[in-house]
Amino acid sequence: SQQGEEDPQALSIQEGENATMNCSYKTSINNLQWYRQNSGRGLVHLILIRSNEREKHSGRLRVTLDTSKKSSSLLITASRAADTASYFCATDAKNFNKFYFGSGTKLNVKP
Amino acid sequence: DTEVTQTPKHLVMGMTNKKSLKCEQHMGHRAMYWYKQKAKKPPELMFVYSYEKLSINESVPSRFSPECPNSSLLNLHLHALQPEDSALYLCASSQDILSSRNEQFFGPGTRLTVL
Repeated sequence: SQQGEEDPQALSIQEGENATMNCSYKTSINNLQWYRQNSGRGLVHLILIRSNEREKHSGRLRVTLDTSKKSSSLLITASRAADTASYFCATDAKNFNKFYFGSGTKLNVKP
Repeated sequence: DTEVTQTPKHLVMGMTNKKSLKCEQHMGHRAMYWYKQKAKKPPELMFVYSYEKLSINESVPSRFSPECPNSSLLNLHLHALQPEDSALYLCASSQDILSSRNEQFFGPGTRLTVL
């Protein structure tokens, strides 16, 4: 079964506000990645954080990783209507060479 | 070229039909993946090819048959599907399956409807 859970399941904010999504996973990982998916389309890779990293930034994105709690968070600052999408974390489980997606957070940014 | 292409975009088929989904990338990636995604659910891994060899089969029913003719192409052959197999089928590729190089690039998907 998939090993990631995300919360919240859905998030609705106003343009300009920050959005925070959380991801929890079950087994040890090599890395954790975040992806965005616009409705019914392919996924776009956003950022990868390795198991020995604690925080990473890319533009308006900030990702944290706490391997002791088996959790990660994605912060989108100064959100825009174009950020409206579903966001998934994905874990690369150690020793399995498998790739699992979390349940996803559906973000709606209102203009 | 940093694109993964998939054809067709949409496919409607009957339960007795045989059809194929195609995926192509020209990024020199040596790992390619098939995922199945139902509405409002995350993608579920089906198959992984590494250097043109099947590396992972996530207990997928035999009515789905993957094929990797060369390092740029990945096919998914469909036969005797069920209505519950209707979903978005996503192809992805990465440099290889090692954790340091497995950032995945996704195609736009094929929306499959089985009648």
